Amino acid sequence: DQQVKQNSPSLSVQEGRISILNCDYTNSMFDYFLWYKKYPAEGPTFLISISSIKDKNEDGRFTVFLNKSAKHLSLHIVPSQPGDSAVYFCAASYTGTASKLTFGTGTRLQVTL
Amino acid sequence: DAGVTQSPTHLIKTRGQQVTLRCSPISGHKSVSWYQQVLGQGPQFIFQYYEKEERGRGNFPDRFSARQFPNYSSELNVNALLLGDSALYLCASSSLGMDTGELFFGEGSRLTVL
Repeated sequence: DQQVKQNSPSLSVQEGRISILNCDYTNSMFDYFLWYKKYPAEGPTFLISISSIKDKNEDGRFTVFLNKSAKHLSLHIVPSQPGDSAVYFCAASYTGTASKLTFGTGTRLQVTL
Repeated sequence: DAGVTQSPTHLIKTRGQQVTLRCSPISGHKSVSWYQQVLGQGPQFIFQYYEKEERGRGNFPDRFSARQFPNYSSELNVNALLLGDSALYLCASSSLGMDTGELFFGEGSRLTVL
């Protein structure tokens, strides 16, 4: 049972354009959501997070939007840069658990020149 | 400052053998978590330890065990290896115990079971 889903395995975007990565979840108990970026041969790196009490969180070029009613979140990268090319994982957790993250399957973003 | 360090980085075992993977958290971090990432999938939670106590366990068989030492480093043990245990094993540390918070991952130990 995949509780966190990333339905797009890959995405290609031109440099300077917006990248939008999507994530859906099924467990309504999730109240904290994170995005991680992973380069080959490296561990995932935390990118940005959002609590369920918010619907938007920004950090520089990265913005995460949360739609609780739709159980959907998205990561926007503006403008996209070649160095953003990586696999992006959406993850979710809920308070009361032991920092257990449930990850999606990832979306491979390629930013082309 | 050193990040999360894991050893070994790569190893090959045969079915039925046992393996021990090691992890040193970021200095000051008392929580260590272990994840398994099979090719093409996202990381899957195995264990979390905080202050040397198990605080969470994922849906893995009893062949998987772990422990945390007084210096907060951790070991993951897998007995009676199966082909399906081939994966990247990631260790993550954080400064929070039971609360949510971002995890800091190591580069992982890639295990191949033949």
